[in-house]
Amino acid sequence: EAGVAQSPRYKIIEKRQSVAFWCNPISGHATLYWYQQILGQGPKLLIQFQNNGVVDDSQLPKDRFSAERLKGVDSTLKIQPAKLEDSAVYLCASSLTGAKNIQYFGAGTRLSVL
Amino acid sequence: QQQVKQSPQSLIVQKGGISIINCAYENTAFDYFPWYQQFPGKGPALLIAIRPDVSEKKEGRFTISFNKSAKQFSLHIMDSQPGDSATYFCAASRGNNDMRFGAGTRLTVKP
Repeated sequence: EAGVAQSPRYKIIEKRQSVAFWCNPISGHATLYWYQQILGQGPKLLIQFQNNGVVDDSQLPKDRFSAERLKGVDSTLKIQPAKLEDSAVYLCASSLTGAKNIQYFGAGTRLSVL
Repeated sequence: QQQVKQSPQSLIVQKGGISIINCAYENTAFDYFPWYQQFPGKGPALLIAIRPDVSEKKEGRFTISFNKSAKQFSLHIMDSQPGDSATYFCAASRGNNDMRFGAGTRLTVKP
């Protein structure tokens, strides 16, 4: 079974530039999550999708971050404009629907904002 | 707002020893408590998880102890091996939603 795919693996940009990350979840997983993991910290949930609908985006900085999952499969997370404090690893995870909450994570995209 | 507090930040254990990592949570609505293991350059991977209707769950060398009244849970790694060296995260969530992670514990198992 293929895992959660993310690209790119690394991205270096200057502050105020824009950046986008892509995630393809495990086939059949209706729930998709984006997390931000700052160095030395645990992942922080940014947004959760159920199919193509948003379940929770309470911790998403909506003035600069946006995410979509138009066809209910793959998803993109965008930052525009980026700030220095956005430097982090952006993790995508997916899970089946239901109370058994096994989330499978991708390897992440490491973003450096200079 | 830190809803899950994890300690210690780092831990060094000799091969064959017991590694113990502790977590405390605040929100009594949490009903699912997983532990994730993360190696450098990889995403977190589920190690073991528990729900609040049981006080202990064991899978191989890994055991979760859960104290609902104290709102605390811990991970015990028996017979720790160098291959267990990784960062461990506890987490808590409400059903399938709102998962909150601890800050992580970097475990080093010395040969």
